[in-house]
Parts: sequence; structure tokens; C-alpha cells
Amino acid sequence: NAGVMQNPRHLVRRRGQEARLRCSPVKGHSHVYWYRQLPEEGLKFMVYLQKENIIDESGMPKERFSAEFPKEGPSILRIQQVVRGDSAAYFCASSPQFRYARGPLSDEQFFGPGTRLTVL
Amino acid sequence: ELKVEQNPLFLSMQEGKNYTIYCNYSTTSDRLYWYRQDPGKSLESLFVLLSNGAVKQEGRLMASLDTKARLSTLHITAAVHDLSATYFCAVDTPMDSNYQLIWGAGTKLIIKP
Repeated sequence: NAGVMQNPRHLVRRRGQEARLRCSPVKGHSHVYWYRQLPEEGLKFMVYLQKENIIDESGMPKERFSAEFPKEGPSILRIQQVVRGDSAAYFCASSPQFRYARGPLSDEQFFGPGTRLTVL
Repeated sequence: ELKVEQNPLFLSMQEGKNYTIYCNYSTTSDRLYWYRQDPGKSLESLFVLLSNGAVKQEGRLMASLDTKARLSTLHITAAVHDLSATYFCAVDTPMDSNYQLIWGAGTKLIIKP
């Protein structure tokens, strides 16, 4: 069983370029979460998506950042016109059930290996 | 502001010793997670604590939850080098009509042979 897959694992961009981060959830999972981690810090929630639907984007910066999870294919986190402050590790997680189905472990999140973005 | 505070943030200890990591949170929650992260790696789920008084153990690690005190502890017994990692607690908390995981800053644990 493949776990959550993210690619690329490492991404280097110059200021002003676009970064596209991909996440393939665990097979059968239809819920995806994106987090950002700065060095020596915990994770910060960015966005929660279900296929073809954004459930909660309250942690996403209003500009330059967007996310999607199409019916087919991976979830994409897109950062336009990157700046040095965007340098971080971006983690994707997936879960099998709707976030509000509050069963015992219905919303346990499984994390991918992360994409480490460096903006020069 | 919702806060999850871990302490200590850094811990260096000898093999064979016992120690406890603390996770305090500032809001009502009925669910708390502990994760482990090795350098440059992803996060591995260790424990999910679902109710007041919950205690879970796996090997040399034991986690507990006191929802009234808004405190969780991760206790390490007779530490071994393989437990060196950064440990995060995360609290499931209602945000408007949603739930979000709010993360502590992590405790970097170094266990010396």
C-alpha cells in the first residue's frame, strides 16, 4: 500500500517564479490537507480539500497561493511569484473520511514526505 | 488566540533516563495527537488521545491526556538513542464551523549513548 506521495521532494525557485507542489493521497482517501513548516517550528494549517471542493482555506494567504484537488489526479498547491519568505517545507496529509464525522479515528491524518521549497 | 505550547523545546538526555514532555493548550478540545518527526522526514503518528484520562503506551513511550487541565504528557522511559527525534503535539480544535489541528512548536529530543 502506497502512503501519501508528494513531489517534488525538493524544489528550488528564483523570486518571481511559480512553484507547483503535488500530493497524491493514500489510495481511497478523498480528503487532503496542506501544511507549511518553517525551520524549527511546528506545522501551520493552510487548506483542507475534498475532491473538487475546498472545505477550509482559512490558513491560506489571500494572495499568490491556491490549491485544488481535482476529480482525477493529485492535489496541487500552487504558489505564484514566490518570495524568499515562502521557503519552507510543505506537507500534505490525507484522511479517509469527512472531517466532521467525529468517529474514533475517522479523521486521523497520514502525512507525506514533504516538499522542501527553497526560494533564491 | 489559540495556543499549543510544548516544553521543553529542546532536551538532551542520556540513554537509560526517564523524562516527560509537556503539551499545554489554551482551548477546549477532546482530541490530541502526538507525532514524531526525524530530521528531513515526514511526521509519524504516535498516539491519538480521545478523552479525559486517556493513557496510551507504545514501547518506551506513554502519552496521557487531562482535558480539564488542558495538558498532555509524553513520558519516555529508559530512553534509547533511536528515540532521538522531534516530537509534536497537535490539538483538534473547533474554528468557526470547522475543526483544525493546532500544532505545538515541537520538542527536539537528543539521546546520547
